[in-house]
Amino acid sequence: SQKIEQNSEALNIQEGKTATLTCNYTNYSPAYLQWYRQDPGRGPVFLLLIRENEKEKRKERLKVTFDTTLKQSLFHITASQPADSATYLCALLDGSYKLIFGSGTRLLVRP
Amino acid sequence: GAGVSQSPSNKVTEKGKDVELRCDPISGHTALYWYRQSLGQGLEFLIYFQGNSAPDKSGLPSDRFSAERTGGSVSTLTIQRTQQEDSAVYLCASSPTRGGTDTQYFGPGTRLTVL
Repeated sequence: SQKIEQNSEALNIQEGKTATLTCNYTNYSPAYLQWYRQDPGRGPVFLLLIRENEKEKRKERLKVTFDTTLKQSLFHITASQPADSATYLCALLDGSYKLIFGSGTRLLVRP
Repeated sequence: GAGVSQSPSNKVTEKGKDVELRCDPISGHTALYWYRQSLGQGLEFLIYFQGNSAPDKSGLPSDRFSAERTGGSVSTLTIQRTQQEDSAVYLCASSPTRGGTDTQYFGPGTRLTVL
């Protein structure tokens, strides 16, 4: 069956360190993968999209990698700040429009 | 500019009652999506609209769930004879065109509690 897995345990790191979140998937061949941020009581907010032919994408302190052989995407936040504390969701494009979301990983950045 | 809005923000209802949840997408966005998010879970796709048509209703959990979209804009998700397992946050999203690389813009959600 098709699955997207994100670490359900919260990631707790010290301010200034790099946070790395993992998204693994099985039985998909997505053309795109997206990362979203979700704060409590809010809807998800789009952060980055990476295509299957791209190995890496950067935006300010964010970096996403996409390894279609390993079926894995890594999401990095460098120089993390307490304001980065949120839940981060990965989502795969299934077909032409449907996004399939992982359950998200909660990031806590300690001051 | 205005983002996606949803109403009500919270809804508490008794088991067996019908509820209507409303979504106002970003003006001009042709694609509209409904998702459900249970506590601690990811988003579960419910239905997709392109204009007023719903080419994909595959995520609707049962025939108690229905949705419509009028004027290529506002959408309503209706749950009939609500059950306790329907309790969740219902999120609406819109995008300029159909899927692909389009970003989906989410509303704040409606938290539904069925007692």
